[in-house]
Amino acid sequence: GAGVSQSPSNKVTEKGKDVELRCDPISGHTALYWYRQSLGQGLEFLIYFQGNSAPDKSGLPSDRFSAERTGGSVSTLTIQRTQQEDSAVYLCASSLEGGPWGPQHFGDGTRLSIL
Amino acid sequence: AQTVTQSQPEMSVQEAETVTLSCTYDTSESDYYLFWYKQPPSRQMILVIRQEAYKQQNATENRFSVNFQKAAKSFSLKISDSQLGDAAMYFCAYRSVEASGYALNFGKGTSLLVTP
Repeated sequence: GAGVSQSPSNKVTEKGKDVELRCDPISGHTALYWYRQSLGQGLEFLIYFQGNSAPDKSGLPSDRFSAERTGGSVSTLTIQRTQQEDSAVYLCASSLEGGPWGPQHFGDGTRLSIL
Repeated sequence: AQTVTQSQPEMSVQEAETVTLSCTYDTSESDYYLFWYKQPPSRQMILVIRQEAYKQQNATENRFSVNFQKAAKSFSLKISDSQLGDAAMYFCAYRSVEASGYALNFGKGTSLLVTP
C-alpha cells in the first residue's frame, strides 16, 4: 500500500496477557517510530528505528515493552503482562530518512484496550 | 526534554472565518523544527505545516499559515476561510536537530470545532 499500515486496528485483551502490534512502513522508508497516545496525554515517543537497529529506546515506559524491526521494514511492538494503564492508541510513523526535516507519515494506529 | 504547550484544549470557529491555535515551547537549542499535525477522527496524523527555526519567514500552505516568534518561543497556526473538513485535533510538535532519531515532541492538542 501507499501509506503506513498498522494492525490490528483495534485490540481488546485481558490484563496480564501479551499483545503484539504490527507496523508496515512506507516502502523505502528507513526510519520508523512508535508513539503512544493516551486519553488526555497527547502523544509520547516510545522508540525509534533506523534500519533494523534501535538507537533510541528512551521512551519505552517499562521492560514489559519491547520492539523489533526485521528486514528494515515491518516492526512489531510487544507488550508483555499488559496492565490497564497500557490502554491507549499506539501510532507508528515512518520517514524516508531519520533527518529532522523530513515529514513523518503516520498510520491509523492500533487502539488497545485492556480489560 | 523540550516541553510543548497548547493552552487551548478546545476552540470553535464558524465556517469561512479565521481561527488561530496557539503553541509555545521551551528549549535551549538554537536550531530545531516545528510542525503542526492534524488528527481527524480516523486517527491518522496528517502534516499540516512545518517551520525551520533558522528561517525567519513564516511558513504558509494554502489556507494554513504560522506566526513563528522565535524569541517568544511561540508557534501559532492560523486557519483562514475555515471549512467543515478542518474539524479535528491539532497538535503542535517540536523536533530537535540534536537528539538522535529526531522524534517528535508533541503538545496535548487543541480540538477544533467548525460550525456551519
